[in-house]
Amino acid sequence: QKEVEQNSGPLSVPEGAIASLNCTYSDRGSQSFFWYRQYSGKSPELIMFIYSNGDKEDGRFTAQLNKASQYVSLLIRDSQPSDSATYLCAVNIRGTASKLTFGTGTRLQVTL
Amino acid sequence: DTAVSQTPKYLVTQMGNDKSIKCEQNLGHDTMYWYKQDSKKFLKIMFSYNNKELIINETVPNRFSPKSPDKAHLNLHINSLELGDSAVYFCASSLFAGTTALGETQYFGPGTRLLVL
Repeated sequence: QKEVEQNSGPLSVPEGAIASLNCTYSDRGSQSFFWYRQYSGKSPELIMFIYSNGDKEDGRFTAQLNKASQYVSLLIRDSQPSDSATYLCAVNIRGTASKLTFGTGTRLQVTL
Repeated sequence: DTAVSQTPKYLVTQMGNDKSIKCEQNLGHDTMYWYKQDSKKFLKIMFSYNNKELIINETVPNRFSPKSPDKAHLNLHINSLELGDSAVYFCASSLFAGTTALGETQYFGPGTRLLVL
């Protein structure tokens, strides 16, 4: 079982819709969770992070964490064509210093 | 005012050669990382240094040798390059979170695209 799993996609949503990106992780010692966006040919850039169960909102983005189900998701409201990118879920496991384990990413396509 | 910079941006070389990639950050961070992103876009950590001390060393061939002359710089030297080393190598930096603290945000450089022929 992979440590961090994401559906590779592509996930296609129409402009203006809500895009829902999911991530599951295997280690119950995971304590912090990050969503990065990576445009083709570019470096990953942080969208947001979440540490506690529940929802965390930042503009059009909402991260949701459920530690009991070992599940973290990213919702993008009012999706725009500029949101088309690969979204990487990353997990930090307690006791591993600053090590981040990444999922393979979900490619999002926002269509006009 | 680039936060995390890497040189070179592109590197094309022959099998068996030795090459180096350099990374510098001006964010005042104390921890730096090297990641490898393969052709399937899987991003995997290779090494991490905190204040010039190696703290993460994943299962990486010993042909790869990182060096951190100071906390703002982290270089990666690769000996005897192989075809499988072709990938994008990203440098990143963050503040050190410690083993009991929550993870700190990592900021990535632009990447070095290495092609071994």
